[in-house]
Amino acid sequence: AQSVTQPDIHITVSEGASLELRCNYSYGATPYLFWYVQSPGQGLQLLLKYFSGDTLVQGIKGFEAEFKRSQSSFNLRKPSVHWSDAAEYFCAVVPYSGGGADGLTFGKGTHLIIQP
Amino acid sequence: EPEVTQTPSHQVTQMGQEVILRCVPISNHLYFYWYRQILGQKVEFLVSFYNNEISEKSEIFDDQFSVERPDGSNFTLKIRSTKLEDSAMYFCASSGIYNEQFFGPGTRLTVL
Repeated sequence: AQSVTQPDIHITVSEGASLELRCNYSYGATPYLFWYVQSPGQGLQLLLKYFSGDTLVQGIKGFEAEFKRSQSSFNLRKPSVHWSDAAEYFCAVVPYSGGGADGLTFGKGTHLIIQP
Repeated sequence: EPEVTQTPSHQVTQMGQEVILRCVPISNHLYFYWYRQILGQKVEFLVSFYNNEISEKSEIFDDQFSVERPDGSNFTLKIRSTKLEDSAMYFCASSGIYNEQFFGPGTRLTVL
């Protein structure tokens, strides 16, 4: 069964500093990969996704992520964080099946704190 | 921009009671999902639904859970006899053919 590891439970970053959130997955083949963000009391918003092709993907709100097959990683980055980026970030995977209906497997999340 | 909606936003019920959580997926999506998130824990997959039947379900989705698409727009999750441990945020999601899942705002279920 696939699994997702987000090794950092909490990360504190100063406003304006760069950010990298780590995500590693365990799966027999290359899955589809996603990052979601959850603000307090809110639902999950899709930041970006990787299906195939270019391993550096761009998302909303200035986020990007890089897929590294050799490291089974899909780390999320942002060059300069804003106070509004404070939230919970979840990495998720789903098997590559060519279609839908498969449930996402989520990591435990990384809580991002922004210092002024 | 189309979005997934869920009602109610908060449901309080007594242990042993039945609850129905409602979702309206994005209109041209084909696949529908329910997830739950117990407070402070990760999001867990419950069930997926396609072509009017369950496609996949997790071990959490036992006989007390059921899903239905009663009409062309709604997608419901029923919990027949709620337990204290069913208290959680329940998220509905929908996707097109490439499994890019869009989530609703969630229903917070509190079982007393």
